Amino acid sequence: QSVLTQPPSVSGAPGQRVTFSCTGSTSNIGVGYDVHWYQQLPGRAPKLLIFGNNNRPSGVPDRFSGSKSGTSASLAITGLQAEDEATYYCQSYDHSLSDWVFGGGTQVTVL
Amino acid sequence: EVQLEESGGGLVHPGGSLRLSCAGSGFIVNSHYMSWVRQAPGKGLEWVSVIYYGGETFYADSVKGRFTISRETSENTLWLQISNLRTEDTAVYYCARVAGYRSGRFRNYYMDVWGKGTSVTVAS
Repeated sequence: QSVLTQPPSVSGAPGQRVTFSCTGSTSNIGVGYDVHWYQQLPGRAPKLLIFGNNNRPSGVPDRFSGSKSGTSASLAITGLQAEDEATYYCQSYDHSLSDWVFGGGTQVTVL
Repeated sequence: EVQLEESGGGLVHPGGSLRLSCAGSGFIVNSHYMSWVRQAPGKGLEWVSVIYYGGETFYADSVKGRFTISRETSENTLWLQISNLRTEDTAVYYCARVAGYRSGRFRNYYMDVWGKGTSVTVAS
């Protein structure tokens, strides 16, 4: 069981907006550690998508955005495209475990 | 172009050992924190280990005492010695470059460059 909790799957039609959460606790997100997001396309290595809650690396489309509030963070994809079908993982640091921690991943399906 | 390339994976019996390598190009491995992350078949990502540029090392509890992270300056390479392997260590092992910054009270770290991974299968 992951320290950060994500919904296993979400889906949306092309062009729609989807959002999903990453829920932690007062020993990680809630105490002040930032959240980072990775995209893993089928059969590929993970790729950095968002760092520092809401910052996009160069080359990441602006239809991906992140936010953080309290013990949770969210990733939003607006204008959903077929190429966005992937699994998305959140990551932070847990003060009690002294470990970097990942969420279990959310599989996004484009209908 | 900044790249990482892992190698050294394979099939090994329980209790066996392997040495995974990760060759960096386009940047100096020693100048960055470097990490290993693994992914068991059909499962999510699991952080395994990190080495700071000062040489300090840290491990997930699940591998502590069995895995050793190190680096070779002359070859610009990161290593992961994995020993006393268990079936639950079966996974694709990714190396990743780590970036960090300070926000408020804390330093935060994330993995900004990933290799393609090398597969380790532990089976009898």
